[in-house]
Amino acid sequence: SAVISQKPSRDICQRGTSLTIQCQVDSQVTMMFWYRQQPGQSLTLIATANQGSEATYESGFVIDKFPISRPNLTFSTLTVSNMSPEDSSIYLCSARDSYNEQFFGPGTRLTVL
Amino acid sequence: AQSVAQPEDQVNVAEGNPLTVKCTYSVSGNPYLFWYVQYPNRGLQFLLKYITGDNLVKGSYGFEAEFNKSQTSFHLKKPSALVSDSALYFCAVRDWGYNQGGKLIFGQGTELSVKP
Repeated sequence: SAVISQKPSRDICQRGTSLTIQCQVDSQVTMMFWYRQQPGQSLTLIATANQGSEATYESGFVIDKFPISRPNLTFSTLTVSNMSPEDSSIYLCSARDSYNEQFFGPGTRLTVL
Repeated sequence: AQSVAQPEDQVNVAEGNPLTVKCTYSVSGNPYLFWYVQYPNRGLQFLLKYITGDNLVKGSYGFEAEFNKSQTSFHLKKPSALVSDSALYFCAVRDWGYNQGGKLIFGQGTELSVKP
């Protein structure tokens, strides 16, 4: 199974600033995803990170707010831009391997003041 | 659209008793179903999946799930609960619909509490 690490594990940010979250997988994977989990809620898919091309965003999420990069098969970043308190959430990186199993990172707990 | 529902926000069980966490699904076509567990301040851990084959799927930590096509259910079970099983459990279905890329759709989650 793939092991996923995320940095930072948590952060407290000021309104109007941006934070970039890094996701590293220990093996090559076919697909990478970014999810958001708001307090006490389920997981919502933000976007699919495509290698070498623009990410595919879900309804309600836009590139200007959540720019995503995936320069290679094992690494991706998610930026939360121009943050507001409503962006306070856990952001989870996920990856799917060639056996179609999907794994999750430990998450980044973001608090926006 | 594919969806899953977890009708119980919380399940309370005494240690040593069997536990069941319920999940029902709504899909077009054959369902790909998953269970994940989330411990406090941790990411999601994969427990088990159903793709095809035997309706009883065995997974990690002694958990199993039964796929029931007629009832469109995929309940998670364990014969004897442990206090350490206390966590948040998510059922998920893979959406293979047009242009969906096989993304996972999650249920609302069920908080399992196992008391000594």
